[in-house]
Amino acid sequence: AQSVTQPDIHITVSEGASLELRCNYSYGATPYLFWYVQSPGQGLQLLLKYFSGDTLVQGIKGFEAEFKRSQSSFNLRKPSVHWSDAAEYFCAVGSQSNKLTFGGGTRVLVKP
Amino acid sequence: DTGVSQNPRHKITKRGQNVTFRCDPISEHNRLYWYRQTLGQGPEFLTYFQNEAQLEKSRLLSDRFSAERPKGSFSTLEIQRTEQGDSAMYLCASSLMGPNEKLFFGSGTQLSVL
Repeated sequence: AQSVTQPDIHITVSEGASLELRCNYSYGATPYLFWYVQSPGQGLQLLLKYFSGDTLVQGIKGFEAEFKRSQSSFNLRKPSVHWSDAAEYFCAVGSQSNKLTFGGGTRVLVKP
Repeated sequence: DTGVSQNPRHKITKRGQNVTFRCDPISEHNRLYWYRQTLGQGPEFLTYFQNEAQLEKSRLLSDRFSAERPKGSFSTLEIQRTEQGDSAMYLCASSLMGPNEKLFFGSGTQLSVL
């Protein structure tokens, strides 16, 4: 069975500092991996997606993620956080049909 | 492109009542998904349609839940004899099948069962 673990429930970061969100997955085949962001009252928005190719994936809003098969990880990073990045972030794994299994999410708080 | 639209935004009901939610996908999208999200958790897959055909249902979807997409456009999700455990955010997403398939989510319907 596929599963996703996001070990950090909350992360607080100062504006301008770097951010890294951890994601570990379990999947039987070659996974599709995703990061979504959810702001209050908003729908989930796709930040980036990985299936094959370069293991460092660039996304929207200055985010990137690195796929490490040996560690079953797909961590999300941003070099310099803006106050508008405060939101909940979800890692997900799935098949091509987009039937996704999501992690429990990491809530990011940004300090001024 | 108006995005994925879900109605109502909020629904409060008493235990035992039936409720129905509607999802209007992005117009050219042929796939439609329903997910459920409880407080503090990530979304959980419930079911999905390709055009009007319901291709997969999660074991989470008990017999009290039924989803339809009669003309391959909008979809409804009905919950019969609601229980307090049904309280959650119900999310709809749509996509266009293809190599660069991407899910677009609606803002959800928040259900509270009293």
